[in-house]
Amino acid sequence: NAGVMQNPRHLVRRRGQEARLRCSPMKGHSHVYWYRQLPEEGLKFMVYLQKENIIDESGMPKERFSAEFPKEGPSILRIQQVVRGDSAAYFCASSPRRNNEQFFGPGTRLTVL
Amino acid sequence: TQLLEQSPQFLSIQEGENLTVYCNSSSVFSSLQWYRQEPGEGPVLLVTVVTGGEVKKLKRLTFQFGDARKDSSLHITAAQPGDTGLYLCAGDYNTNAGKSTFGDGTTLTVKP
Repeated sequence: NAGVMQNPRHLVRRRGQEARLRCSPMKGHSHVYWYRQLPEEGLKFMVYLQKENIIDESGMPKERFSAEFPKEGPSILRIQQVVRGDSAAYFCASSPRRNNEQFFGPGTRLTVL
Repeated sequence: TQLLEQSPQFLSIQEGENLTVYCNSSSVFSSLQWYRQEPGEGPVLLVTVVTGGEVKKLKRLTFQFGDARKDSSLHITAAQPGDTGLYLCAGDYNTNAGKSTFGDGTTLTVKP
């Protein structure tokens, strides 16, 4: 059973470009969570999705950020018009049920030049 | 807003020493997880504790959940260089819709 997969592992964008981060949950998991991590800090919750639904987006910036988890395919975290402050590691986690243990992917390290 | 504090923030010890790191909150957890994260990788789940007063052991690691379910500790016996990493605790609160709140972690360095 493959773990949570994220791609790309590293992404470099110039200011103003768009960044698309992908997350494929573990097989059988229908709950996906996105977190952001700055160096030497913990993970900050961004958004929680279940297939085709956003359950909680209280940690998501109001502008430029969006997330989806379609019926088919991976979950996508999209950042429009990136700025240097968006540089961070973005982690995706999945779980089979709400309020269940979360399993993390290896992360996408976004660098904005 | 629930706040989860971990201490110490940094810890550097010699191989063979024992250590304890702490995770504290002013709110009650419905469950709490401990993760270990290595540089460039995602967090790996070590343990989940649910019951107040619960103690779980994982080889040289002992996890304890406070009676009031507001705090937890991780004790490592005879630390080894392979234990080096960022130790994160994460709490689930009853009011949260499934998301976990993470502490900022304890960065442990074990020198050979």
